[in-house]
Amino acid sequence: EIVLTQSPGTLSLSPGEGATLSCRASQSVTYNYLAWYQQIPGQAPRLLIYGASSRATGISDRFNGSGSGTDFTLTISRLEPADFAVYYCQQYVSTPYTFGQGTNLEIK
Amino acid sequence: QVQLQESGPGLVKPSETLSLACTVSGGSISSHYWSWVRQPPGKGLEWIGYVSYSGATNRNPSLKSRVTISVDTSKNQFSLNLSSVTAADTAVYYCARERCRAGDCYGFDYWGQGTLVTVSS
Repeated sequence: EIVLTQSPGTLSLSPGEGATLSCRASQSVTYNYLAWYQQIPGQAPRLLIYGASSRATGISDRFNGSGSGTDFTLTISRLEPADFAVYYCQQYVSTPYTFGQGTNLEIK
Repeated sequence: QVQLQESGPGLVKPSETLSLACTVSGGSISSHYWSWVRQPPGKGLEWIGYVSYSGATNRNPSLKSRVTISVDTSKNQFSLNLSSVTAADTAVYYCARERCRAGDCYGFDYWGQGTLVTVSS
């Protein structure tokens, strides 16, 4: 099973700032089958990034994914109030599919 | 626009079987992979398993012996059964679509709104 470790656990920033979220895998995520999701409390997760770096339909270009192998990053530029949420990474290359424990992006 | 909707009891007694259905509208279930994901209150996401349109399944080993996932293409619906439930199975249960085409997959692009299932006597 591929274990995903996200850091930091909580990130406190102000609107307008940039955010960098990390996801490290216990073994290589082949084909870069790594996705990022945003979850607002009380709502279902929303796909932001798939294939490590491809934005999902309708996702702002302020969200960028990068990385390969075992180290992946989600960067969010010019934070807006709606961006403050919990972010999860997920690998979908091998079963069981696994999620990271989440990064809580909160308003400073 | 593809939509997914979970349905089923919100309260299940310990040792009984949790049964949920996910109805897909706005698109056919006869392609892609269809997953169940759960989230205990205040915690993270756990993948339960998936079913393909052909009925092939894959389940999380942590739940495998208790999980059955099936598909009914005539109803455009897939289902989850989780047997011998305990309080630890209390969670919001989501159904989701994993978009796959020609051997490539692109993450879980559509999700149901989620349904809270509480295990309690």
